[in-house]
Amino acid sequence: QKEVEQNSGPLSVPEGAIASLNCTYSDRGSQSFFWYRQYSGKSPELIMFIYSNGDKEDGRFTAQLNKASQYVSLLIRDSQPSDSATYLCAVNMGHTGTASKLTFGTGTRLQVTL
Amino acid sequence: GAVVSQHPSRVICKSGTSVKIECRSLDFQATTMFWYRQFPKQSLMLMATSNEGSKATYEQGVEKDKFLINHASLTLSTLTVTSAHPEDSSFYICSANYILRAGTYEQYFGPGTRLTVT
Repeated sequence: QKEVEQNSGPLSVPEGAIASLNCTYSDRGSQSFFWYRQYSGKSPELIMFIYSNGDKEDGRFTAQLNKASQYVSLLIRDSQPSDSATYLCAVNMGHTGTASKLTFGTGTRLQVTL
Repeated sequence: GAVVSQHPSRVICKSGTSVKIECRSLDFQATTMFWYRQFPKQSLMLMATSNEGSKATYEQGVEKDKFLINHASLTLSTLTVTSAHPEDSSFYICSANYILRAGTYEQYFGPGTRLTVT
């Protein structure tokens, strides 16, 4: 079992729709969770992080965390063609506050169609 | 967000030569930086964790004598690919931990360095 799992996609959604990206992780002790966006040929860009169970909203993005189910998701409302990219889920499997490494999923490719 | 720079953005070198890549945190101090490698259409692979003032911690399978890491200051880490070969051609990306407040941090990536070894 991979430590951080994502569906590779592509996930295709029409412009204006909600895109839902999912991620599961294996280490129940994981403390912090991050979503990155990576355009082709570019480095990852941090979109959101979440530490506590529940929802966290930032503009069109909402991160959802359910530690009991070991599940974290990213919702993108009003999807735009510029949102087309690969979305990486990353998990810090150490304790919050330590500068420990992140474990990345393989990413989900999102395509927003006109 | 915090800014991390990398230099150079692209480099082409001949087989057998060494290449140094710099990673800088521009507006914050980073006691910990990370070096990743990404091959086309593949996911990020962590190569090593770079700690200021101490030796880097390498991931399993990464040759520490080939990929030399130096974290000489709180804003600079360097990766030197020694005796580069064509199979070392890849996209090398660094990242740095930015401490938001006690107990929480974010990890920001540099723009990456595309290395081509001929």
